[in-house]
Amino acid sequence: AQTVTQSQPEMSVQEAETVTLSCTYDTSESDYYLFWYKQPPSRQMILVIRQEAYKQQNATENRFSVNFQKAAKSFSLKISDSQLGDAAMYFCAYRSADYGGSQGNLIFGKGTKLSVKP
Amino acid sequence: KAGVTQTPRYLIKTRGQQVTLSCSPISGHRSVSWYQQTPGQGLQFLFEYFSETQRNKGNFPGRFSGRQFSNSRSEMNVSTLELGDSALYLCASSLRQGATFTGELFFGEGSRLTVL
Repeated sequence: AQTVTQSQPEMSVQEAETVTLSCTYDTSESDYYLFWYKQPPSRQMILVIRQEAYKQQNATENRFSVNFQKAAKSFSLKISDSQLGDAAMYFCAYRSADYGGSQGNLIFGKGTKLSVKP
Repeated sequence: KAGVTQTPRYLIKTRGQQVTLSCSPISGHRSVSWYQQTPGQGLQFLFEYFSETQRNKGNFPGRFSGRQFSNSRSEMNVSTLELGDSALYLCASSLRQGATFTGELFFGEGSRLTVL
């Protein structure tokens, strides 16, 4: 069974600084998707960034980028130029690419609560 | 394009009662999955429905059930409620394949269930 581990329950960053959130996962599959989701206090989960396992290039979305190390099964999120609106719970998640199998099952880490100090 | 809609947003029940939660997916999405979120256990997968069939099920007791209709709307039901069922129940919709498939799940705002 796949597992996702986020080892940092809480993180804090100064506004305009850079912060990196860690995530490791375990799987025997070769094809999968990895995501970072953000859940602000208003609680709707929204996608921050995604990565297809078959792509070696790290995904980037504006101030958000990932460091995807497939062999090490590591998927960290870097937030540059942190803003007050970045304060939220961040969840790392894994999704199988197996259409006929458990593709619908998103496996989440426990989350990292990010605080941004003005 | 309308997002994932969940109703009701908040509800309070007492132990032993049952509850039904509803989820309307994004138009065109045929996969609907449900998750339970609690402070202690985090986000846990309940089940996924695709084309009116349950495709996957998480490790929850039989009191938790669901269904999907021909228009892809889904309901989940919890019978004989227990205090530990108090949680935020999140519904997510997605594609499973196709030219626009990105793997992403789109979440609703959730239904907050309190069991007294």
